[in-house]
Amino acid sequence: AQTVTQSQPEMSVQEAETVTLSCTYDTSESDYYLFWYKQPPSRQMILVIRQEAYKQQNATENRFSVNFQKAAKSFSLKISDSQLGDAAMYFCAYRSLGAQKLVFGQGTRLTINP
Amino acid sequence: GAGVSQSPSNKVTEKGKDVELRCDPISGHTALYWYRQSLGQGLEFLIYFQGNSAPDKSGLPSDRFSAERTGGSVSTLTIQRTQQEDSAVYLCASSRGETMADTQYFGPGTRLTVL
Repeated sequence: AQTVTQSQPEMSVQEAETVTLSCTYDTSESDYYLFWYKQPPSRQMILVIRQEAYKQQNATENRFSVNFQKAAKSFSLKISDSQLGDAAMYFCAYRSLGAQKLVFGQGTRLTINP
Repeated sequence: GAGVSQSPSNKVTEKGKDVELRCDPISGHTALYWYRQSLGQGLEFLIYFQGNSAPDKSGLPSDRFSAERTGGSVSTLTIQRTQQEDSAVYLCASSRGETMADTQYFGPGTRLTVL
């Protein structure tokens, strides 16, 4: 079974600075999807960014980018120019090509200091 | 358009009672998922529907948990004889269900507290 590990329970960053959240996963599959979801206090999970494992190029969405290292099974999220609205729980998730369910990490609580 | 909605937002019940949690997916989404978020177990998958069928119910923790979906739309998660360990946030998500690459969109969840 696949597992996802987020080793940083909490992170904090100064507003306008850059922060990187770590995620590693364990799988024997060669093709899969990886995601970062954000969960603000409203509880609603919001997709931040996704990466297909067969793509070499790292995904980017505005201030959010990933560093996908397939051989190392690492999938970190970089948030540039941090804003107060970025404060939330961030979850890394894995999905097999042949399954619908998401496997989540334990989450990282990100605090933005003004 | 409207997102995934769930009701109730919060539910407090007594141990041993049955509860029903409702999920309204995004219109046109054929795939629907239930997850549970608890302090001890994190976020865990419960069940997946494609249309009204549930090809993957591997995450249901016990036979006290059941779910159904009618008309390819609304889904209800039922927990019978609730226990204190059932206290959690129950999240519903939906996706177009057309390809494996489809994004899952989540609702705001139902916080269940079992006293």
